[in-house]
Amino acid sequence: DIVMTQSPLSLPVTPGEPASISCRSSQSLLFSNGYKYLNWYLQKPGQSPQLLIYLGSNRASGVPDRFSGSISGRDFILQISRVEAEDVGVYYCMQALQPPFTFGGGTKVEIK
Amino acid sequence: QVQLVESGGAVVQPGRSLRLSCAASGFTFSNYDIHWVRQAPGKGLEWVAAISFDGTEKFYVDSVKGRFSISRDNSKNTLYLEMSSLRAEDTALYYCAKGALTRMVAPNWFDSWGQGTLVTVSS
Repeated sequence: DIVMTQSPLSLPVTPGEPASISCRSSQSLLFSNGYKYLNWYLQKPGQSPQLLIYLGSNRASGVPDRFSGSISGRDFILQISRVEAEDVGVYYCMQALQPPFTFGGGTKVEIK
Repeated sequence: QVQLVESGGAVVQPGRSLRLSCAASGFTFSNYDIHWVRQAPGKGLEWVAAISFDGTEKFYVDSVKGRFSISRDNSKNTLYLEMSSLRAEDTALYYCAKGALTRMVAPNWFDSWGQGTLVTVSS
């Protein structure tokens, strides 16, 4: 199974400041079509997860452009350019290259 | 708009069985693979099972193989999860999630999630 290692576990942030979350896969997430199947989800308090980023760097529909994803080999980064209060919650990376799909342990983002 | 509504969660004793349902609307259900993902209280997300658009392919996480069975009824736009030999560690909020790409379990991603149904396994 592909193991997803996410850091940090907790991320206190100041509104207006940038934030960054890392995720590393134990195996390549590269498919034969040239895409890497790494997705980012945000689970706001009391809500279901919502898709933020798919294929490592593509923003989902309706996601603000302050969110961006980047890829470097087996390392993936989710960046928030300027954190807003509504961005609090737990962020998860997930590999969807092959079953069993696996999630990172989550990063809890909270306002300082 | 896409809607996924889970139901069937309950408090059950260890060793007993339970069936969850996920009613879908707002999209052509028979074109998409659907997944079950669970979240134990205060814990992270765990993918549980997936079924192909036509029900011919099924996938499970090791911890539920032989105990859980995923199925679908495309005429009713409904997904099911039959859970047997339930254990305390199966206690979780169970979400159904829709694959974003048509007719492909993997690779893919989830673009819509339901609100979840709670399963509690306790004596």
